[in-house]
Amino acid sequence: QLQMQESGPGLVKPSETLSLTCTVSGVPMNSSNSYWGWIRQPPGKGLEWIGSVYQSGTTYYMSYTGTTYYNPSLKSRVTISIDSSNNQFSLNLASVTAADTAIYYCLRGGSFPAVAVAGFFWGQGTLVTVSS
Amino acid sequence: QSALTQPPSASGSPGQSVTISCTGSGSDFGGYNYVSWFQQHPGKAPKLVIYEVSKRPSGVPDRFSASKSGNTASLTVSGLQAEDEADYYCCSYAGSNNLGVFGGGTKLTVL
Repeated sequence: QLQMQESGPGLVKPSETLSLTCTVSGVPMNSSNSYWGWIRQPPGKGLEWIGSVYQSGTTYYMSYTGTTYYNPSLKSRVTISIDSSNNQFSLNLASVTAADTAIYYCLRGGSFPAVAVAGFFWGQGTLVTVSS
Repeated sequence: QSALTQPPSASGSPGQSVTISCTGSGSDFGGYNYVSWFQQHPGKAPKLVIYEVSKRPSGVPDRFSASKSGNTASLTVSGLQAEDEADYYCCSYAGSNNLGVFGGGTKLTVL
């Protein structure tokens, strides 16, 4: 059974970079064509898609591995990368402010862009607070 | 402000049916039929209950159904049970530049 776990600092100072890692267990990330992504939720508020990265599970689509998609409103500050050899993917969000305080979730979506955010599997989420 | 509009609340008695709407513009839905619905209980991660407008992941009861017409998607929960009380979010693919646009969420109360 696929399981996902977020890890990283729970407190980040304003203007610094928020860095989180999602570790996947139970299934190799490169065993299927999938989108792996991040969604956040400010305390007491709704969900916001941050971005997604593609991992191919077949030789035919291998060249597309690492292709990223980002929320236009965050695109200038976000980087998502994948390390399938360690079954992990990461989120970096630069120049954070208090507005970036949220629970950050990692998820596995579907096999093509239109279902990338259809999170079939989720991590439990990790609260990141931006404060000095 | 969310791109997709949901009613902030909905309610129904056990055994009844409740429908939650999700309205957007043509660009929000991207002219595509790729709408997902998530259920979130307090303090828990969201759970996918519907994808590609009307498909249910394995393990989701068939009491959950959904559809889309024009710029409005709808989630119906039939035979309401106490465990259905949760927040529900719609999400749509809006094109290659925006893979996921969310609604603001609807709090479903089982009376």
